Amino acid sequence: NAGVTQTPKFRVLKTGQSMTLLCAQDMNHEYMYWYRQDPGMGLRLIHYSVGEGTTAKGEVPDGYNVSRLKKQNFLLGLESAAPSQTSVYFCASSLLLPSTDTQYFGPGTRLTVL
Amino acid sequence: AQSVTQPDIHITVSEGASLELRCNYSYGATPYLFWYVQSPGQGLQLLLKYFSGDTLVQGIKGFEAEFKRSQSSFNLRKPSVHWSDAAEYFCAVGSRGGNKLTFGTGTQLKVEL
Repeated sequence: NAGVTQTPKFRVLKTGQSMTLLCAQDMNHEYMYWYRQDPGMGLRLIHYSVGEGTTAKGEVPDGYNVSRLKKQNFLLGLESAAPSQTSVYFCASSLLLPSTDTQYFGPGTRLTVL
Repeated sequence: AQSVTQPDIHITVSEGASLELRCNYSYGATPYLFWYVQSPGQGLQLLLKYFSGDTLVQGIKGFEAEFKRSQSSFNLRKPSVHWSDAAEYFCAVGSRGGNKLTFGTGTQLKVEL
């Protein structure tokens, strides 16, 4: 049972480049989330999904897009990367509402934008 | 809107000493409260959670937390810290029926041997 996996683990981009981060979970969870973690700012929610085919904006959605075409996958896209998007990105999933259920986190993706 | 404050950015304790990490929340109704731990280079793992009932909740790894409504606090405690407890700890608050959690900025715990 792999839980939540993230691909890639590390990435360096140049300003203006695009990329997609992949999150996969094998727990049949309905809810999935993308967070970014920056020093001194904790975790901030970028986008989330309450089920296959649905997405919603979180606290800091600008510059990111997401898709949830399959229940087990949640993709985070950066269309035109900026240095301000240098961060560690975490994906998480939960079976039920996150306010009442445990969120399971992936190991993170460290992204540097030059 | 809900919010969480963790007033201590860094805390250092000696191995075997007791630990208390502070968490204050802001929410109009009864909050759902969580503590997560992040070991270096890892994702977050749930330590414990409070929804209702007994205000003292027990978690994994010997941690406990006490919900105090009058103080809007949910402090995390451990009677005797182990070197392996060195990590970053996050308090989070959620609302009943809510789709998301709000995390605090974290407290980095260092354990001196």
